Amino acid sequence: NAGVTQTPKFQVLKTGQSMTLQCAQDMNHEYMSWYRQDPGMGLRLIHYSVGAGITDQGEVPNGYNVSRSTTEDFPLRLLSAAPSQTSVYFCASSYSTWALAGGGSYEQYFGPGTRLTVT
Amino acid sequence: AQRVTQPEKLLSVFKGAPVELKCNYSYSGSPELFWYVQYSRQRLQLLLRHISRESIKGFTADLNKGETSFHLKKPFAQEEDSAMYYCALNNSGGTSYGKLTFGQGTILTVHP
Repeated sequence: NAGVTQTPKFQVLKTGQSMTLQCAQDMNHEYMSWYRQDPGMGLRLIHYSVGAGITDQGEVPNGYNVSRSTTEDFPLRLLSAAPSQTSVYFCASSYSTWALAGGGSYEQYFGPGTRLTVT
Repeated sequence: AQRVTQPEKLLSVFKGAPVELKCNYSYSGSPELFWYVQYSRQRLQLLLRHISRESIKGFTADLNKGETSFHLKKPFAQEEDSAMYYCALNNSGGTSYGKLTFGQGTILTVHP
């Protein structure tokens, strides 16, 4: 299993440009999410999805769009990049049902991250 | 609203010394708490979860509902423990399974 993969690893954008950060997982996890990591702020949830066709907003959704057409993929779109979106972005996935999680907790598996700089 | 607070941004100890990384939470339901760790140039990974009551790499964490805390402890720190540590809270009673709220993170440095 490749686990959770993210592309690209690094990206530099100019203000106003748009782009899509890719995330894929091969563990058949229902739940996928996007976080941004900023110094002193920890990880903040941007958007999440509990299954194909279902998405919802997290703590900091403004300026980002998501869609979930398949179980495996969960791309994050920046509509019009702003310097405030300079950050490291992490995608994560997990089971979303108690039974599939082995009756235990919902461990999240993280991707390697995408470092985005907006100038 | 649920919240996780890690009061220390930076924590430095010497090898062999005890270490405690603090985590406090606010949540009205039944909390499910985790510690995640990010070593240098590695991805974020689960260290331990409170329901397992396990010890991983010598670390333990006990949920104290009275003090709403989930502090991470290790009696004898090692240099390889140097990393960023995040405390995280999951809504175990709702429908948003897997939706985590993270603390601000603590960078632990263990000096030789």
